[in-house]
Amino acid sequence: QSALTQPASVSGSPGQSITISCTGTSSDVGAYNYVSWYQQHPGKAPKVMIYDVSNRPSGVSNRFSGSKSGNAASLTISGLQAEDEADYYCCSYTRSLNYVFGTGTKVTVL
Amino acid sequence: EVQLVESGGGLVKPGESLRLSCADSGFTFSSYSMNWVRQAPGKGLEWVSSISSSSSYIFYADSVQGRFTISRDNAKKSLYLQMNSLRAEDTAVYYCARENHGRLDYWGQGTLVTVSS
Repeated sequence: QSALTQPASVSGSPGQSITISCTGTSSDVGAYNYVSWYQQHPGKAPKVMIYDVSNRPSGVSNRFSGSKSGNAASLTISGLQAEDEADYYCCSYTRSLNYVFGTGTKVTVL
Repeated sequence: EVQLVESGGGLVKPGESLRLSCADSGFTFSSYSMNWVRQAPGKGLEWVSSISSSSSYIFYADSVQGRFTISRDNAKKSLYLQMNSLRAEDTAVYYCARENHGRLDYWGQGTLVTVSS
């Protein structure tokens, strides 16, 4: 199972919006609406920010939103804040009944 | 409050074995599938293994198939990962994570496994 493809880095100024892409195949991203996104600060465990493509868990800011089209998903962070600087990983459930993560994207707030 | 606490990590030599544990509290452990995910130093997340709530379904990543064994004890609310024939490339922080309808919604703090001679 190959990792989903994400850009290595994305940056933006405070208040701006950024979008992180996540490209998979018809066996993972395109197979189900079980795409999730995780935020990870240095030395910390990942935290789920989006699940089922576009749902936010309780307590996650509505500045985070997700979408999917075909074999690609995306995470948008609007109104970028300093605390959003972190690594972000997409994740998809697959037809093999397991999970595959994306390669990870480092978000930098300029 | 949901809590997952991993233990059992450490320094081992190539070819040796290690058993990780994950003690869970704050939720009905026996109702959820559980997963192990690892992260090599400076690298991304890699899914390792999953086990269904009743242990009926077990899956492994190709990279650990045949060497690692996942198990659980619902009475003890604990998840395990038996790791045999360890390799340098198994060096990573290992996280246990609760699975909830296609997402991993709670994670432990991780335990570091270092494989080095």
